Amino acid sequence: DAGVIQSPRHEVTEMGQEVTLRCKPISGHNSLFWYRQTMMRGLELLIYFNNNVPIDDSGMPEDRFSAKMPNASFSTLKIQPSEPRDSAVYFCASSLSNSLGPQHFGDGTRLSIL
Amino acid sequence: SQQGEEDPQALSIQEGENATMNCSYKTSINNLQWYRQNSGRGLVHLILIRSNEREKHSGRLRVTLDTSKKSSSLLITASRAADTASYFCATDAGGSEKLVFGKGTKLTVNP
Repeated sequence: DAGVIQSPRHEVTEMGQEVTLRCKPISGHNSLFWYRQTMMRGLELLIYFNNNVPIDDSGMPEDRFSAKMPNASFSTLKIQPSEPRDSAVYFCASSLSNSLGPQHFGDGTRLSIL
Repeated sequence: SQQGEEDPQALSIQEGENATMNCSYKTSINNLQWYRQNSGRGLVHLILIRSNEREKHSGRLRVTLDTSKKSSSLLITASRAADTASYFCATDAGGSEKLVFGKGTKLTVNP
């Protein structure tokens, strides 16, 4: 079975540019999570969706960040405009909701903002 | 703020030795999970222990949970070089689907 698929795997862009990260969750999973990982702050939850509806976006750092889930098989995380401090690895994970069980992670997008 | 905090931050052992990592957390939980992250990859779920369980085994992994002390430990027995990775504990936020991860223990197993 295919796992969580993220694209691109690496992104290098200049500050001020718009960045769009993409995620395809595991088929049948109805919860989707976006995380950011840095050395300083570790793994932080940015936002999560249940049945395509945003449930908790309290971790989204500021208005420059937005996330959407137009259908059960696709989600995007957008940063506009990007800043050097946004450089991090961004992970998407999915799970079966109401199970309080394991989350399945993609391999992440390594984002560098110059 | 971090819910789970792992200890030690880094651990280096020889192949064949056992590795023990600890996790402390602050608030009540429904379950605690351990994940592994290899360099450049996403996190992989290892084991989940529920708040009413005290010990759980999976292959060479043994997890304990002490809710009175708000702590858990992960023991990897007979370690292998392939066990080299970072290990994270994660706790749920009191019944929420949200998981809060610690900063991890970086384990190096030398051949």
